[in-house]
Amino acid sequence: DTEVTQTPKHLVMGMTNKKSLKCEQHMGHRAMYWYKQKAKKPPELMFVYSYEKLSINESVPSRFSPECPNSSLLNLHLHALQPEDSALYLCASSQDFGGAMYFGPGTRLLVL
Amino acid sequence: GEDVEQSLFLSVREGDSSVINCTYTDSSSTYLYWYKQEPGAGLQLLTYIFSNMDMKQDQRLTVLLNKKDKHLSLRIADTQTGDSAIYFCAEKDNAGNMLTFGGGTRLMVKP
Repeated sequence: DTEVTQTPKHLVMGMTNKKSLKCEQHMGHRAMYWYKQKAKKPPELMFVYSYEKLSINESVPSRFSPECPNSSLLNLHLHALQPEDSALYLCASSQDFGGAMYFGPGTRLLVL
Repeated sequence: GEDVEQSLFLSVREGDSSVINCTYTDSSSTYLYWYKQEPGAGLQLLTYIFSNMDMKQDQRLTVLLNKKDKHLSLRIADTQTGDSAIYFCAEKDNAGNMLTFGGGTRLMVKP
């Protein structure tokens, strides 16, 4: 099983809303990632968790708040987003930093 | 910083072979990956190669790595219309923390 699942699939939110994106994997992977992808562009790294600890934050605005409750789950809490934050948000995981990285199907976010 | 480059577009006829090329600059790359992304979908890992390998074959896919020239290619044999998608190459650095993506190559397969 090489599946990473993400919910919701689509999300529309206003600029004053608070919402969360969820990601789950049951491959025993210890590294989990959040990427942001704008249309016709490659994914851009946002956050990296290693063994449930935040190891990389790529200068992401504080309106994005990641959380890793356990080794299988990764959340991205959203608050006071801007329309330019509309994008496909992809979660990924890997066994550790040396192995293959598997992506979920993404959450397509629209901020109005 | 690291840079990964790909041509933007490739068009082939159904049944032909497709070759998608990628160049990278980071000589400390450990793993190099090929991902496929269909419209509205996430990234599907197609194959990956460790930097001490020259070639890897998996059914219709052949990956060639020229480490001296920092050139990676993906060959798809007997290309089908279902292969139409954007293909991203990516490299993982020596620290293993980050995946650097190329800009993606849009493959169009004509019947």
